[in-house]
Amino acid sequence: DAGVIQSPRHEVTEMGQEVTLRCKPISGHDYLFWYRQTMMRGLELLIYFNNNVPIDDSGMPEDRFSAKMPNASFSTLKIQPSEPRDSAVYFCASTPASGSRNEQFFGPGTRLTVL
Amino acid sequence: GQSLEQPSEVTAVEGAIVQINCTYQTSGFYGLSWYQQHDGGAPTFLSYNALDGLEETGRFSSFLSRSDSYGYLLLQELQMKDSASYFCAVKDQAGTALIFGKGTTLSVSS
Repeated sequence: DAGVIQSPRHEVTEMGQEVTLRCKPISGHDYLFWYRQTMMRGLELLIYFNNNVPIDDSGMPEDRFSAKMPNASFSTLKIQPSEPRDSAVYFCASTPASGSRNEQFFGPGTRLTVL
Repeated sequence: GQSLEQPSEVTAVEGAIVQINCTYQTSGFYGLSWYQQHDGGAPTFLSYNALDGLEETGRFSSFLSRSDSYGYLLLQELQMKDSASYFCAVKDQAGTALIFGKGTTLSVSS
């Protein structure tokens, strides 16, 4: 398997623009997670899905953030409108329901810069 | 809620042994995990302790004491490539998502 795939790897945009980040989890994994990493706040959980259903979105910072998982192979994280403080690395991770090691598999991340 | 504390930085020389401590407070406990992240890379799984004691995987070992809400990652025979950030993590109250500590940056010098 190719692992978790994220696109784009880098995104530079201007304040007020819409940003869409994409993730393809590992095939057969039941859970998908979105994290945000900054120097100040570390690695924060934003939202996660189980079998395409959002389970916990309490980490989503504001209504400007939304996430969807229309099928088992694809998820998006959208920021509209974007602000400079949204600049961070956004990671997607997946894990199988049957995993016993607490192991989550992370994608390479999307480095977002909002000017 | 869940919270974790770990040192922000640790320095060591090649060949040495270093221990990275982690204390946690949780509502419900499902084990302690450790992840490694190289600069510019993604976090990768290192180890998981569900029960008290030491788990060894090559040069890396991880320890857990549930009664003390404490664990550590032990890195032996340090190499330059071990320079990275190390995160301890616990599961959320639902026992599903991971909550990460702020990370410990390990710098290994020659």
